[in-house]
This record gives sequence, C-alpha cells and structure tokens, in this order.
Amino acid sequence: GNSVTQMEGPVTLSEEAFLTINCTYTATGYPSLFWYVQYPGEGLQLLLKATKADDKGSNKGFEATYRKETTSFHLEKGSVQVSDSAVYFCALLSGAGSYQLTFGKGTKLSVIP
Amino acid sequence: GAGVSQSPSNKVTEKGKDVELRCDPISGHTALYWYRQRLGQGLEFLIYFQGNSAPDKSGLPSDRFSAERTGESVSTLTIQRTQQEDSAVYLCASSPHLTGTNYGYTFGSGTRLTVV
Repeated sequence: GNSVTQMEGPVTLSEEAFLTINCTYTATGYPSLFWYVQYPGEGLQLLLKATKADDKGSNKGFEATYRKETTSFHLEKGSVQVSDSAVYFCALLSGAGSYQLTFGKGTKLSVIP
Repeated sequence: GAGVSQSPSNKVTEKGKDVELRCDPISGHTALYWYRQRLGQGLEFLIYFQGNSAPDKSGLPSDRFSAERTGESVSTLTIQRTQQEDSAVYLCASSPHLTGTNYGYTFGSGTRLTVV
C-alpha cells in the first residue's frame, strides 16, 4: 500500500535559518506529491505540488523536488520567517482516477525571532 | 461560499452519545471528502462523495460512523454511541473534479471532537 514518512518534529529554527523537512514515500505507480500547510486555527492549505519525476514545486519561497530514484519529496526554504510557523504535511495521490490522499504524520515548525 | 465551512468547530460529548458534524463545501465542487486526524497521527481517509455516485465508504472505521450528502451540497458525518477513541479532529475537503491531482483539495478548519 501507499505510505508517507516525514521527519518527526517539532522543529524549532531561528528566523532566517535554512529549513529542510524530509519526506519519503512508498507508492504503486507514479504518484503525485504534495505539501500541505496548516497554520494555527486554520484548515490545511495546499502549499506546493509535483506530478512527475524531477518536477519542482514551489510557492512562497518553499521548494520541493520529486526524486523518483530516492522516492523523496523534501521541503526546503532558504530563509524562514516567524509567519512560517505551522504544521507541514507531505502527501501523495497514487493511480489514475485516485482521490484518496495519503498523508504523513505532519511536522510542526516553530520559528523564533 | 469562499471556503469549506465546518461546524461546530469544537464539540465535547459524553461517551455513548451520538454526534453530528457538518460540512459546507465550496459551491460548485462536486467532490467531498472526510478525513480524521488523531493526535500525533497523519490524516486518515474516511469517506468520499462524487456528485450523485455511490460514495466510497471504505475508510469508515466502524458501523457507528455514517455520512450523507445530498447532491453537491452539505454533508453530515454522524458518529453513534461515541467512544473515547473517536476523539480527533474531523476534516472535510472539497474539490472541483474527481481527482485532486491538478487542483489539490480545499480543506475546512475541522471539528475538534472530544469524547469524555
């Protein structure tokens, strides 16, 4: 079956530090990969996505590259801000016509001034 | 509406009582999903509705759980005879198409259910 493994948090960084949140996956076929973000008190929001190998998703300074050879989709940001404090979820969608997202457990990021 | 709306935002109930959770999807979104997020866990798929097709109920954890949706409008998730292990955040999402591959889903803020 499909599964997503994320690095466990919480992660605490100082403002302007470099961020990496690791995500690896197991899936049949060629999944689409997503990062969702959940800010305090809000619903999950799609942060970025990649639908095929070597695609790079990017948004709000965050990037993730779909690496088929390592089955990974690590999230990176060069300089985090306090406003990036949130829980980040890696997810995949696998198979034609698929609609069930498989999520990782989430990584809580706290950025301190 | 502008987003997916869920109510109530918080619900505390006594063990054994029934609860009903509501989701208002984005207008025009044909697909609607319910997920459950237990503390320290990832999101678990519960049920999926697509238009007037038969729903995919494969994720419902027991027969105490049921959900309804009329057409492409509001959905309700009902949990009968609640147990403490039902305590979780219940998230609803909607999307304009069958798959979220190109669009992703839009999630609501969730209902935090606590069974005491």
